Amino acid sequence: DAKTTQPPSMDCAEGRAANLPCNHSTISGNEYVYWYRQIHSQGPQYIIHGLKNNETNEMASLIITEDRKSSTLILPHATLRDTAVYYCIVRVVPGGAQKLVFGQGTRLTINP
Amino acid sequence: GAVVSQHPSWVICKSGTSVKIECRSLDFQATTMFWYRQFPKQSLMLMATSNEGSKATYEQGVEKDKFLINHASLTLSTLTVTSAHPEDSSFYICSAVEGTQSLHFGNGTRLTVT
Repeated sequence: DAKTTQPPSMDCAEGRAANLPCNHSTISGNEYVYWYRQIHSQGPQYIIHGLKNNETNEMASLIITEDRKSSTLILPHATLRDTAVYYCIVRVVPGGAQKLVFGQGTRLTINP
Repeated sequence: GAVVSQHPSWVICKSGTSVKIECRSLDFQATTMFWYRQFPKQSLMLMATSNEGSKATYEQGVEKDKFLINHASLTLSTLTVTSAHPEDSSFYICSAVEGTQSLHFGNGTRLTVT
């Protein structure tokens, strides 16, 4: 499984853009980068995923470097409700299963 | 959007008893479901992969006789914690695969063993 590394914690002011980095230097060519977040005592929530190109949806943008060894999740206008643990995960597909292996994630705190 | 329902959301049981947790995909069929365990301030740890109609695949270090998984239909997987002990107290989360890429998570079950 490709491993990911993320900073353990980050702070961001409300209304500003939150940029969460992730390193996945051993990613394989057919592996996607997924981002999930987990608000306290809830199940993880899907945010976005991508393979090569940058992606954007109503929640966030995902910027993947050309060599695919790192990516950045961008929350363009962070709100207090975005305080959560954010997980960057590389999707593995051994034998058809699609399990996601979670690292430690980044605990993002949005400050008023 | 696709929803995964997990029940119960919390349960308290006495040491030595067994507890069953259900994971249902409400508007899609899930051939594969996953069970995770999360201790306070830690990340999710994958326990097992549940495949409909076949035996579950357990991760290294997870006791299959203690954590019984049954995936009898395309919309339901159950995790039974047998002979629960206080060290089994944790947050248990299931996820279900929709199609080929989408993975949806339940809201978790907080188990407290007294």
